[in-house]
This record gives sequence, C-alpha cells and structure tokens, in this order.
Amino acid sequence: EIMMTQSPATLSVSPGERATLSCRASQSVSSNLAWYQQKPGQAPRLLIYGASSRATGIPARFSGSGSGTEFTLTISSLQSEDFAVYYCQQYNNWPSWTFGQGTKVEIK
Amino acid sequence: QVQLVESGGGVVQPGKSLRLSCAASGFTFSTFGMHWVRQAPGKGLEWVAIIWYDGTNEYYADSVKGRFTISRDNSKNTLYLQMNSLRAEDTAVYYCARDRFYGDAFDIWGQGTMVTVSS
Repeated sequence: EIMMTQSPATLSVSPGERATLSCRASQSVSSNLAWYQQKPGQAPRLLIYGASSRATGIPARFSGSGSGTEFTLTISSLQSEDFAVYYCQQYNNWPSWTFGQGTKVEIK
Repeated sequence: QVQLVESGGGVVQPGKSLRLSCAASGFTFSTFGMHWVRQAPGKGLEWVAIIWYDGTNEYYADSVKGRFTISRDNSKNTLYLQMNSLRAEDTAVYYCARDRFYGDAFDIWGQGTMVTVSS
C-alpha cells in the first residue's frame, strides 16, 4: 500500500498570506494525486486532480504542483473561508486509494 | 443539481449488520464508478470500496474485505453498502463519492451518514 505523508500537521497563517502544504508518497504515484478541502461538519471537496488541475469552480488562488513522490498545494492569499483541513490522495495504485493524514490550516 | 444523499446510518451493536444507501441525482449515475469513504471521529479519510459504473467489478479495503459488500441499482440511481459483522472500529461517518473518471479523484461527495457500533 502506498503511504501518503502530509506536512506540517498544522499550519498557522494570517489572512492574506500564502500557505504551502506538502504531501509525500512512499513510492511514485506519477501525477495521480488529488487535494481535498474539508471544513468542520462538511464533506470533503475536490480542489485539485492530476496534481495540478483545478476542479470545477475552484478559485485560482489554489494551485497544485509536483509529480512522482513530492507534491505541493499552494494557497496564494488565504481567505477566511480557506481555513480548513486539507488532504492529499493518491489514485495511481488502484484499486487502492490512500489519503494523507491531513494538514489543518488555522488562523494565526 | 448534482447531488448524493446518504441514508441508513445509526447505532448498531457489535456483530450486527447495517445497510447504507446513497441516492444520486443530477447526473447519469450509470456511467460513473462510485466509492464509499469513511471517517472515524476526529480522524482522517479512509477509502472503503469501489464499484464499477456497470456493477461488474468491486474492490475493498483490507479492513472491510469479507464483511462489507458494495452494490448499485442503476435503475434506481442508488448505491448501497451492506455492512456485516460490524466492529467498534467501523464507527465513522460514511460518505459516498463519485469517481471522476475510471479510478480517478472523487469529484462529488454526499453529506455523510454516521454509523456507531456500540453495545
């Protein structure tokens, strides 16, 4: 099973600042990597697929990069609605989809 | 609009069974693979199972293999998860989710249904 490791566990950021979240795979997942946002009491929402493609309706301040084993989600200028938990997920090794443990982005 | 609505959660004793449902609307259900994903209280996301768009293939996480069965009724636009021999560690919010494209990311999620396994 491919293990996904996210860092940091918690990221404290001020509104308007840039946030950079990392995700590492235990073996190459090519570009088969997605990012999700989850707010308390809500279902996850797809932000990024294919490592760098924004899902429908996702603002341009969200961007993804990377391939192989190292990936990054960048939020260019944090808005109040962006404070949430973010998960990465690999879908290269199906039929087994694995998620990272999550990064919580909180208000500094 | 595109929507998934889960139902069937509740409190069940260890060893008992429960069936979850996920009603789809706003898209052609029969052309998409579908997943179940769960989230234990305060924990991260865990993929549970997938079923192909036509129901011909299904796969499971090792943690539920042999106990859970995923199925679908394309005539009713509904996905199911039959959960048998439930354990305390199966306690979680269960989400159904649509596969974006043949084993890809999950682009539509339901709101989730809570399953609590407790005596």
